[in-house]
Amino acid sequence: QVQLVESGGGVVQPGRSLRLSCAASAFIFSNYGMHWVRQAPGKGLEWVAGIWFDGANRDYADSVKGRFTISRDNSKKMVYLQMNSLRTEDTAVYFCARAYRALGQFDHWGRGTLVTVSS
Amino acid sequence: QLVVTQSPAASASLGASVKLTCTLSSGHGSYAIAWHQQQPEKGPRFLMKFNSDGSHIKGDGIPDRFSGSSSGAERYLTISSLQSEDEADYYCQTWGTGIVVFGGGTKLTVL
Repeated sequence: QVQLVESGGGVVQPGRSLRLSCAASAFIFSNYGMHWVRQAPGKGLEWVAGIWFDGANRDYADSVKGRFTISRDNSKKMVYLQMNSLRTEDTAVYFCARAYRALGQFDHWGRGTLVTVSS
Repeated sequence: QLVVTQSPAASASLGASVKLTCTLSSGHGSYAIAWHQQQPEKGPRFLMKFNSDGSHIKGDGIPDRFSGSSSGAERYLTISSLQSEDEADYYCQTWGTGIVVFGGGTKLTVL
């Protein structure tokens, strides 16, 4: 069945960088837009970034624009989130999700990886 | 600005029905939305996509107890024959050009 498995989370100091990865399996990865969504402790879901099925377009939430970069490797069925200049408010569980082609309903989600930004 | 609004909490008794509401912002009343369920300590799960014309797509294995409807800019998720495992947070999602938006979520308590 469709699987999305996130990795790369951990504890990092403010101002430092971290790269998250999401490994996809059991579907035609190159047909789907891929997204990152985060959830701060005790809070709701916040969309972070998305990349079209072919990588031609990338979109970002205002809260991360200029600091985070989403990318994908269709040959490896992987999507990445490079997070620079991390802030304490970036502390959250980060989920990977897919949407057909580009934007749309997120019909499968990963289990998430926890990022803690703390000195 | 594209926004979706949800009531923060709802409750209903075991075996009863409950209707959750998601309201689209002015000018966006024709947008499709998706409903997601998040049980405690778990990742979100896609329930259904619901279009303004009433057409919908359900997620894998979602029982018939979960249904959607709409009226104007409001989208509804009705859960019938409530079970204890339905106690969860329910999120509404919509999307536009270059943006995806979530509602603040509704915490459903099954009494």
